[in-house]
Amino acid sequence: AQKITQTQPGMFVQEKEAVTLDCTYDTSDQSYGLFWYKQPSSGEMIFLIYQGSYDEQNATEGRYSLNFQKARKSANLVISASQLGDSAMYFCAMREGRSGFQKLVFGTGTRLLVSP
Amino acid sequence: GAVVSQHPSWVICKSGTSVKIECRSLDFQATTMFWYRQFPKQSLMLMATSNEGSKATYEQGVEKDKFLINHASLTLSTLTVTSAHPEDSSFYICSAILGGAITDTQYFGPGTRLTVL
Repeated sequence: AQKITQTQPGMFVQEKEAVTLDCTYDTSDQSYGLFWYKQPSSGEMIFLIYQGSYDEQNATEGRYSLNFQKARKSANLVISASQLGDSAMYFCAMREGRSGFQKLVFGTGTRLLVSP
Repeated sequence: GAVVSQHPSWVICKSGTSVKIECRSLDFQATTMFWYRQFPKQSLMLMATSNEGSKATYEQGVEKDKFLINHASLTLSTLTVTSAHPEDSSFYICSAILGGAITDTQYFGPGTRLTVL
């Protein structure tokens, strides 16, 4: 079974609008971490936001927030007030507590296109 | 955030040659470094995990003798693609992590685009 599922291959949003990128995960661990990364066309992976499984509050970082619903095993990324520079691939990733060496498992990504 | 560099950023080589890619953590000492490869329009696939001074742990299906990883210091890891072939053409990206806690962020290098002719 897929550990991380991103069901939206592509999303369109107009500038200044909010957009939600979906991510669901599968784990039997109680302790895990969820990450979102942005990959522009240049290729580098930019860390956006982190949510721990024990965190009671949804994580927020500037225009990024994470809608964490533990019972549903979902960790959707919300980008508010989209900007043209937000056009990129977005990857959801998970680190499980018992996995050795803290490796990340990535989803297949969602390509976001922000239009003027 | 922390800075991780990779060198070279792109390389073109002939089939049969070996290519070395360097990954450096510039402003922190990385306990663990990771190597990924990414094919066009696909996700990152973990190749191996390396800790300073010990042998790398390779993911299933990744040839150890093909992709040599050396983690000589807390700030440097190298990936050598030996006897490269066109099917090895890909985007190789490294990442580094400072600690061992689940909250510790992996910081990624800018990637190396390898083209084997």
